[in-house]
Amino acid sequence: ETGVTQSPTHLIKTRGQQVTLRCSSQSGHNTVSWYQQALGQGPQFIFQYYREEENGRGNFPPRFSGLQFPNYSSELNVNALELDDSALYLCASRDRGQETQYFGPGTRLLVL
Amino acid sequence: EDQVTQSPEALRLQEGESSSLNCSYTVSGLRGLFWYRQDPGKGPEFLFTLYSAGEEKEKERLKATLTKKESFLHITAPKPEDSATYLCAVPYNNNDMRFGAGTRLTVKP
Repeated sequence: ETGVTQSPTHLIKTRGQQVTLRCSSQSGHNTVSWYQQALGQGPQFIFQYYREEENGRGNFPPRFSGLQFPNYSSELNVNALELDDSALYLCASRDRGQETQYFGPGTRLLVL
Repeated sequence: EDQVTQSPEALRLQEGESSSLNCSYTVSGLRGLFWYRQDPGKGPEFLFTLYSAGEEKEKERLKATLTKKESFLHITAPKPEDSATYLCAVPYNNNDMRFGAGTRLTVKP
């Protein structure tokens, strides 16, 4: 059974640029959530995707957007990057009928 | 507002010194309480799910318990490899999972 994978592992961008982060869900999982984790804090929910549609969103502006593909993999896009967007971005997957989520290793984004 | 609070923020133990971490929550209609372990720079690793007051789950030196307002993660005779940040989380509305800020545990040999 393959776990959740994310790419890239690290990324450096400058303010105003755009970034795309990728996530492959664990085998058999059809629901993907994205979280932002600032240093020293717990993960914060960005949004969730199920059946290729956004299925819940946290308190993040529209410049945070996403996609889910038929194979359940997902992308997180962030436009007009700000310095405060520097964080660890986590992807988690689960089966729709279960509450337990399993996390990937994360992508560390640094905005300069 | 519904929220999750963890205490203490940081805990330093000697190897073999047992202790407990606390997670208190105010969300109504609990649909489970989740414990994760997170090593620096890595994604959270799932430990336990608890669904009802009185429930207990164990894994090696860890035991999680749940009451109507809080959960405890008991660590018995910890080893240095138990050093990590321990996070608790509860499902919120709109498919949101609310996490506490975590307890950073350091176990000294």
